Amino acid sequence: SQTIHQWPATLVQPVGSPLSLECTVEGTSNPNLYWYRQAAGRGLQLLFYSVGIGQISSEVPQNLSASRPQDRQFILSSKKLLLSDSGFYLCAWIRDRDYGYTFGSGTRLTVV
Amino acid sequence: ILNVEQSPQSLHVQEGDSTNFTCSFPSSNFYALHWYRWETAKSPEALFVMTLNGDEKKKGRISATLNTKEGYSYLYIKGSQPEDSATYLCAFILAGGTSYGKLTFGQGTILTVHP
Repeated sequence: SQTIHQWPATLVQPVGSPLSLECTVEGTSNPNLYWYRQAAGRGLQLLFYSVGIGQISSEVPQNLSASRPQDRQFILSSKKLLLSDSGFYLCAWIRDRDYGYTFGSGTRLTVV
Repeated sequence: ILNVEQSPQSLHVQEGDSTNFTCSFPSSNFYALHWYRWETAKSPEALFVMTLNGDEKKKGRISATLNTKEGYSYLYIKGSQPEDSATYLCAFILAGGTSYGKLTFGQGTILTVHP
């Protein structure tokens, strides 16, 4: 069966520090992978998606970047965090558009 | 920018009550509508994926309907239980090969079921 792992679960980082959140998927190959964020008082917003190794599409201009160095690994990064980067980050994969997403357990990021 | 609206924003009901909430989405270029349940301290869990106008899907006490022509979906919970307390999210996928399964989520309906 397919599983998705995301870490860390919580993170408190100072403004200006770097960020790296990692997501890995098991039990499938060539998954479509997504990073979503829920900021305070807002809905889930798509940040990045990837349909294959090295293929990243960005949905909104922001202080973050994403990379996909391996088929089942998706990384969210920042060189210098801003206060506005605080939120709940979710990684997700989907087999195809006829199925629901499977989400990771999420990372609560607080930038102080 | 796609607009997916959910109402109400929050709902408090008593155990045993039946309840329903609404998701509105663009009626053009429709591909699919998803419903998710998001419990506190957990990740969202897929409830339904709906693709056809007139679809009705059911899972236990929860069911959903879809009207793609007018752009709305209803989620019903029959005989609510405290364990149904969660945020219910709907999400819309556009038709077209470039959408790659990208979901546009509504803000969610927060359901609290009181014992």
